[in-house]
Amino acid sequence: AQSVTQLDSHVSVSEGTPVLLRCNYSSSYSPSLFWYVQHPNKGLQLLLKYTSAATLVKGINGFEAEFKKSETSFHLTKPSAHMSDAAEYFCVVSDLNSGNTPLVFGKGTRLSVIA
Amino acid sequence: GAVVSQHPSWVICKSGTSVKIECRSLDFQATTMFWYRQFPKQSLMLMATSNEGSKATYEQGVEKDKFLINHASLTLSTLTVTSAHPEDSSFYICSARPRDAPGDTQYFGPGTRLTVL
Repeated sequence: AQSVTQLDSHVSVSEGTPVLLRCNYSSSYSPSLFWYVQHPNKGLQLLLKYTSAATLVKGINGFEAEFKKSETSFHLTKPSAHMSDAAEYFCVVSDLNSGNTPLVFGKGTRLSVIA
Repeated sequence: GAVVSQHPSWVICKSGTSVKIECRSLDFQATTMFWYRQFPKQSLMLMATSNEGSKATYEQGVEKDKFLINHASLTLSTLTVTSAHPEDSSFYICSARPRDAPGDTQYFGPGTRLTVL
């Protein structure tokens, strides 16, 4: 069965400094991996998606993530944090070989950005 | 494009009453819709998957008689929490998969916060 582990429940950075949100996954097959962001009272928004085409995935709002099979990791990074990046971030895995392809969510990492 | 709405955005009800939450795909047809539950400071847990015109498939541990799901059209799914109790208070989120989209594509609604007194 697939699973994801987000290693930090809360990350706090200063505005303008780099962001690193860590995620490790476990999957029996070729996984699809995602990062979603959830702002208060808003729906989840897809930041980026990995589907084996390229190990470095660029997403929206300057975020990117690197798939490292040897480390079973899919960490999310951004060079310079902005106040508007403060939100909850979820790492998600799905199994391309699963018929209905359910999404399995990590527990989330709350990102705080300090002015 | 690919907008999913939920109504209401929040609801407060008395214990023992039933509450209906609507999930609509506004600009696409959704052959499959998903319902999730999110507890405070926790992740999203899939409750059920519904395909248009057929019965929903519930995840283990989710009472199908308590959480009634109807997916009557390609743009609307409803979740009815029957005889709600305080422990049903939670944030309910739906998502929708467009027709012909890859299997792992889901667009999420903004969620409905249910408080049962």
